[in-house]
Amino acid sequence: GAVVSQHPSRVICKSGTSVKIECRSLDFQATTMFWYRQFPKQSLMLMATSNEGSKATYEQGVEKDKFLINHASLTLSTLTVTSAHPEDSSFYICSAYPRTSGGELAKNIQYFGAGTRLSVL
Amino acid sequence: GNSVTQMEGPVTLSEEAFLTINCTYTATGYPSLFWYVQYPGEGLQLLLKATKADDKGSNKGFEATYRKETTSFHLEKGSVQVSDSAVYFCALDRGSTLGRLYFGRGTQLTVWP
Repeated sequence: GAVVSQHPSRVICKSGTSVKIECRSLDFQATTMFWYRQFPKQSLMLMATSNEGSKATYEQGVEKDKFLINHASLTLSTLTVTSAHPEDSSFYICSAYPRTSGGELAKNIQYFGAGTRLSVL
Repeated sequence: GNSVTQMEGPVTLSEEAFLTINCTYTATGYPSLFWYVQYPGEGLQLLLKATKADDKGSNKGFEATYRKETTSFHLEKGSVQVSDSAVYFCALDRGSTLGRLYFGRGTQLTVWP
């Protein structure tokens, strides 16, 4: 089935450093990728929508200069948390829509990565 | 606005028990409704969906019916198994192409043998 790989699964960093999280669609090309953030016992909150070759669209309240998103190819989107602080500690999840349907893939279904647990000390 | 309210967990059941996880929504337009499941260490997977009122989504013994009159999409299973232990998320989209999803908080289900 469709696989979205997210790396790293867990990262611990010092305050003030930057952290990059990768989201790859392993067996399909992704038209659109999404980045979500999840706080403990809360729902997934959309941070931004990423389309290949264009600038990401950020949700209200999300700092675009802090959460840099690069969607360089149809199979890779990256989220960089710049100058991370303890309040950025969270669970970050990406998802992707396949560009085309076929086999087990459906164009109108989002496929999710396993998430990245970020802890900023 | 668009939002999803989901039954708070955790839910703990014995094997073969009946499961209900409540989900209600607020939405503009004609949303599609989804249940996603997240097994430990894995990404969210689509469990079932319904795209219009009175549709019933079903998969792996789970069912949910899109009730517009009560704005609900409750998840049910007649006989749960240990392997059903996971976190379940109710979600909606507004029906636009490749649109964003609005999620509930998730409900942790633990099934004991």
